[in-house]
Amino acid sequence: AQSVTQPDIHITVSEGASLELRCNYSYGATPYLFWYVQSPGQGLQLLLKYFSGDTLVQGIKGFEAEFKRSQSSFNLRKPSVHWSDAAEYFCAVGAGASKIIFGSGTRLSIRP
Amino acid sequence: NAGVTQTPKFQVLKTGQSMTLQCAQDMNHNSMYWYRQDPGMGLRLIYYSASEGTTDKGEVPNGYNVSRLNKREFSLRLESAAPSQTSVYFCASSEGYRSNNEQFFGPGTRLTVL
Repeated sequence: AQSVTQPDIHITVSEGASLELRCNYSYGATPYLFWYVQSPGQGLQLLLKYFSGDTLVQGIKGFEAEFKRSQSSFNLRKPSVHWSDAAEYFCAVGAGASKIIFGSGTRLSIRP
Repeated sequence: NAGVTQTPKFQVLKTGQSMTLQCAQDMNHNSMYWYRQDPGMGLRLIYYSASEGTTDKGEVPNGYNVSRLNKREFSLRLESAAPSQTSVYFCASSEGYRSNNEQFFGPGTRLTVL
């Protein structure tokens, strides 16, 4: 069965600084990989997804993520964060007909 | 399109009371899900409905029941609420059940059981 780990519970970055949120997964083959964002008081919204092909995927709101098979990772990046990026970010992994498994989330705070 | 809607937004129950959380989607999706979100634990799947007329247990089904009323609606019932069920509940839907389908989430119901 697949699993997903987000090692950082809470990250604070300054506005305008770059961001990288870590995600590691466990699965024998290439899984389906997702990043979702949850703004305060809201449901989750898909930022981007990776199924196959180019290992660098672009998403909404200027986010990108890179699939690294050798490291079993799918880290989320943004070159310059904005105050509106403060939210909780969830990595998720799916495989075939099985259910999607969500990580425990990383809360992002932005320092003015 | 409203997407996925949930009612109520907030609810406070006493231990032992029952209630039903309602969820509806207007995207003609086949699959629907109920999750609970607790601090530090991410989202955990309670029940899901892969298609109209079917429901299955997820990771944490104890204490809950569900009904897929029709293609649009999927309700979650707590028969006898317990403090351990204090949580934020999210309904989601997707076009198909396979895990390469994007899930669309409702705004959530914040439930407190005293």
